Amino acid sequence: DAKTTQPPSMDCAEGRAANLPCNHSTISGNEYVYWYRQIHSQGPQYIIHGLKNNETNEMASLIITEDRKSSTLILPHATLRDTAVYYCIVRARQTGANNLFFGTGTRLTVIP
Amino acid sequence: NAGVTQTPKFRVLKTGQSMTLLCAQDMNHEYMYWYRQDPGMGLRLIHYSVGEGTTAKGEVPDGYNVSRLKKQNFLLGLESAAPSQTSVYFCASTFGTGAYEQYFGPGTRLTVT
Repeated sequence: DAKTTQPPSMDCAEGRAANLPCNHSTISGNEYVYWYRQIHSQGPQYIIHGLKNNETNEMASLIITEDRKSSTLILPHATLRDTAVYYCIVRARQTGANNLFFGTGTRLTVIP
Repeated sequence: NAGVTQTPKFRVLKTGQSMTLLCAQDMNHEYMYWYRQDPGMGLRLIHYSVGEGTTAKGEVPDGYNVSRLKKQNFLLGLESAAPSQTSVYFCASTFGTGAYEQYFGPGTRLTVT
């Protein structure tokens, strides 16, 4: 699985868009980009995933660059409840254990 | 539909004591996982199971054992607890290979003194 690099922390004003970057320059053609978040000490929560096209769901949007070496998770209107650690994970869809490799993520703080 | 549940939520052990953490899921998932998370770090995989009756080692399996006698349950055992096993333990499950989403339990906070 490709290694990812994320900034350790970011702040965002409440109501503004939060843009969380992730670098994955060694990503392979069959590897997906996944985003999870962990609020306080709860279990991680799935947000969104994508291969090469931009994706959007009710929680967020995922923008993947054309060369797929980086991506950005966008929370369109951040709320205080979005304060969490956000993990960018890259892995192939078909792997034996199908587990996730978590790094240290980005700690997003939404400021009132 | 309770999702993934973990028992207990908190536990304090003395060095050398044993205990079992229980994970249960009601989503008929094939794959189940045990992770640990130490302060300021990401999750690390301890053991996993790809189906009833199967188990396999993850990244940090030493000092732990697991069993998957029933599809819905995945047990994590500590035979002789050590202070280095002080951590938060998360269980997760997913449908199987290729599944996009893993569902996580609320965690068990274990302290070994």
